[in-house]
Amino acid sequence: QKEVEQDPGPLSVPEGAIVSLNCTYSNSAFQYFMWYRQYSRKGPELLMYTYSSGNKEDGRFTAQVDKSSKYISLFIRDSQPSDSATYLCAMSAGYSSASKIIFGSGTRLSIRP
Amino acid sequence: NAGVTQTPKFRVLKTGQSMTLLCAQDMNHEYMYWYRQDPGMGLRLIHYSVGEGTTAKGEVPDGYNVSRLKKQNFLLGLESAAPSQTSVYFCASREGTLETDEQYFGPGTRLTVT
Repeated sequence: QKEVEQDPGPLSVPEGAIVSLNCTYSNSAFQYFMWYRQYSRKGPELLMYTYSSGNKEDGRFTAQVDKSSKYISLFIRDSQPSDSATYLCAMSAGYSSASKIIFGSGTRLSIRP
Repeated sequence: NAGVTQTPKFRVLKTGQSMTLLCAQDMNHEYMYWYRQDPGMGLRLIHYSVGEGTTAKGEVPDGYNVSRLKKQNFLLGLESAAPSQTSVYFCASREGTLETDEQYFGPGTRLTVT
């Protein structure tokens, strides 16, 4: 079983829709949770970063962490065609010597104009 | 400020050939990483470095070697390429402070081994 599970999609929604992307994980030591966005043929870039449980909002994006269920979500409101990308969840246990980050396999998202 | 750069962008190798991928960062970051990305597998850590002169194995180190002789550069070597090493390779760097765990990624190197 992978430490981090993510539905690969593809997910296609109309412009303006609310998008929900999710990951589950098995390692209860994870405390730092991230979402990266990766455009086609580009490197990933950090989109959202949260620590422990709770919600964090940044513009149209909301990251949610439920440590009791080992479940994290990313919501995108008023989705735009420019949001079309692959979204990778990632998590780490903390700031140990290298705090290795474990990535999900990514969900490919397409926003239809 | 170029961030993280990778050389080359594309490469085709024959089985058994060797090559070196170069990663350079101009952000004075302590930590550097090499990942490979395969369909359905996400990003998997090959090797990493927590400072100049140090290297350590990641999740999938077999068939690869690395060196970090200078703080700004992290080299990934394939001594005898195999078709299973066909992948997209990403380098990343991180500041290494306690304030952030953000990794900055390069644009990737697409490697095909025939």
